[in-house]
Amino acid sequence: GENVEQHPSTLSVQEGDSAVIKCTYSDSASNYFPWYKQELGKRPQLIIDIRSNVGEKKDQRIAVTLNKTAKHFSLHITETQPEDSAVYFCAASRATDSWGKLQFGAGTQVVVTP
Amino acid sequence: NAGVTQTPKFQVLKTGQSMTLQCAQDMNHEYMSWYRQDPGMGLRLIHYSVGAGITDQGEVPNGYNVSRSTTEDFPLRLLSAAPSQTSVYFCASSRLPGQGYREQYFGPGTRLTVT
Repeated sequence: GENVEQHPSTLSVQEGDSAVIKCTYSDSASNYFPWYKQELGKRPQLIIDIRSNVGEKKDQRIAVTLNKTAKHFSLHITETQPEDSAVYFCAASRATDSWGKLQFGAGTQVVVTP
Repeated sequence: NAGVTQTPKFQVLKTGQSMTLQCAQDMNHEYMSWYRQDPGMGLRLIHYSVGAGITDQGEVPNGYNVSRSTTEDFPLRLLSAAPSQTSVYFCASSRLPGQGYREQYFGPGTRLTVT
């Protein structure tokens, strides 16, 4: 089955700096890679996703890049703000497989200090 | 739309007790799933369903049962609670992959403690 590794487990950044979280996956058939943000005591919520036919996707201050050959993808947050403090999860799945399941990474705790 | 709802929000059980965590969605999603979240381990899939009457095991199914009699509801049953089942449980729903968009919508979670 799919295995997703996520690094780092914790990330401290100064407000205004950039944050990068990296994930690797094992199943070369995976083709859908979402990122979820979970604030303290809240439910995970999708912030951005990318499919394997695209190398990069941006949405305001966040971007995701995908390297299919190396089987890794990354989340980039620019101009970080205190409200970016949360746990971020990457995930991978075979989105075209009717039995496709999301395999999550272990999460990255991001702390943005003013 | 209420989205995905879960009850209860908090529960304390004694070892050996059984209980059912409730999950319902009003988005007509075929795909529903249960995850448990433990510190440092991310979200691990317990069971999932691709429609009424169809369920399958995820990564950590032992000690849990599910059934799907309607599109809306997907209850998770703990058969004989153990301290190792102390966790936060999330239910999630989404469209099927063949329907394109795959965002999973999560419920608010149930915090379960087994003593």
